[in-house]
Amino acid sequence: GAGVSQSPRYKVAKRGQDVALRCDPISGHVSLFWYQQALGQGPEFLTYFQNEAQLDKSGLPSDRFFAERPEGSVSTLKIQRTQQEDSAVYLCASSKGTGRDANTGELFFGEGSRLTVL
Amino acid sequence: AQRVTQPEKLLSVFKGAPVELKCNYSYSGSPELFWYVQYSRQRLQLLLRHISRESIKGFTADLNKGETSFHLKKPFAQEEDSAMYYCALIYSSASKIIFGSGTRLSIRP
Repeated sequence: GAGVSQSPRYKVAKRGQDVALRCDPISGHVSLFWYQQALGQGPEFLTYFQNEAQLDKSGLPSDRFFAERPEGSVSTLKIQRTQQEDSAVYLCASSKGTGRDANTGELFFGEGSRLTVL
Repeated sequence: AQRVTQPEKLLSVFKGAPVELKCNYSYSGSPELFWYVQYSRQRLQLLLRHISRESIKGFTADLNKGETSFHLKKPFAQEEDSAMYYCALIYSSASKIIFGSGTRLSIRP
């Protein structure tokens, strides 16, 4: 498909379980973002990649959260030892260029992965 | 700290009435602001950005640096405008984009 693809769409995990969320950005997009969106809230920034380089991970809430994009394309967000407060929709977005480029900075979002931790 | 504030969680107006969705920001540098929209059962998508100074679907937004605001306006609301609207800010030093908490716009027939 031509859009950003995320999998799984829904994930139910028991507390303490590890989860991995995948993002397939639009082909050729340089920038990739992960956001966490809790119910009734806006997307909260987690981390940002430019190609394979993780340029900003200031939004990762704890060292249980880890993200990678080893070949500058597909990205995985891993959450270890999940807690109930990790329950949220995790959004991935990509853009052709960097965010401040008016021509290529538009973010294209995936449908999100809804994580429920019991 | 950099912040985007959308004071209204819900805004309900009648069809044909004017709409104004409020957005205030806190940022010490040169801001670049956007409005993103999420229609029912669709993905979050860009509506407009201040640097383009364009009108999209009848919506406009003007950056007011004095009031640190970027309110979204439309003179005559339509039912298809019902959606969640998010104001977003990009830092000048990087490509980090932060979002407000969103306003749900409901247009009554």
